[in-house]
Amino acid sequence: DAKTTQPNSMESNEEEPVHLPCNHSTISGTDYIHWYRQLPSQGPEYVIHGLTSNVNNRMASLAIAEDRKSSTLILHRATLRDAAVYYCILRGRLYSGAGSYQLTFGKGTKLSVIP
Amino acid sequence: ETGVTQTPRHLVMGMTNKKSLKCEQHLGHNAMYWYKQSAKKPLELMFVYNFKEQTENNSVPSRFSPECPNSSHLFLHLHTLQPEDSALYLCASSLGTGFNEQFFGPGTRLTVL
Repeated sequence: DAKTTQPNSMESNEEEPVHLPCNHSTISGTDYIHWYRQLPSQGPEYVIHGLTSNVNNRMASLAIAEDRKSSTLILHRATLRDAAVYYCILRGRLYSGAGSYQLTFGKGTKLSVIP
Repeated sequence: ETGVTQTPRHLVMGMTNKKSLKCEQHLGHNAMYWYKQSAKKPLELMFVYNFKEQTENNSVPSRFSPECPNSSHLFLHLHTLQPEDSALYLCASSLGTGFNEQFFGPGTRLTVL
């Protein structure tokens, strides 16, 4: 399975943009790039996903490199509520199940937001 | 509130006990998942159900037994667990197994003594 590499931790000041990097140099052509985050004492929460083009939604933006070997999750204005562990995940196919996909979580990046 | 609920939120059990974890979703989803999150380890997928049928078992020991009576409910039956099974057990659901967004419950914090 293709793997992702993320920094263990990052800090940001409140109200400033945050760029969370992810390397996935062995990504295959059919892998989608997903981002989830996990707030303290909660289950993971979907943030955004993409395949080739940059994506925007109400939570964040996802910038994908042209060669797809890296991507960046962008939080435009960090708030204290954004303090969480952010996971960059490649969605790969589970070969034993027809049409089923697996999310393989790594260790993620712990984002701290400074008031 | 994600629409996925889990009970109990905390559970302490001995190695000889039998207990069950419950997950319920009110999102109209057809796929449900069990994950395990141990301290300092990434989330691990345990089981996948699609339309009540188990489609994946990621080499999980038989002391963990899943049950999916309908698309809205998922159980994880536990028996003769080991202390190393202590972890946060998370349930998730999605519209189907081929869909991008999974909705997670808050998890059950399990401690095995």
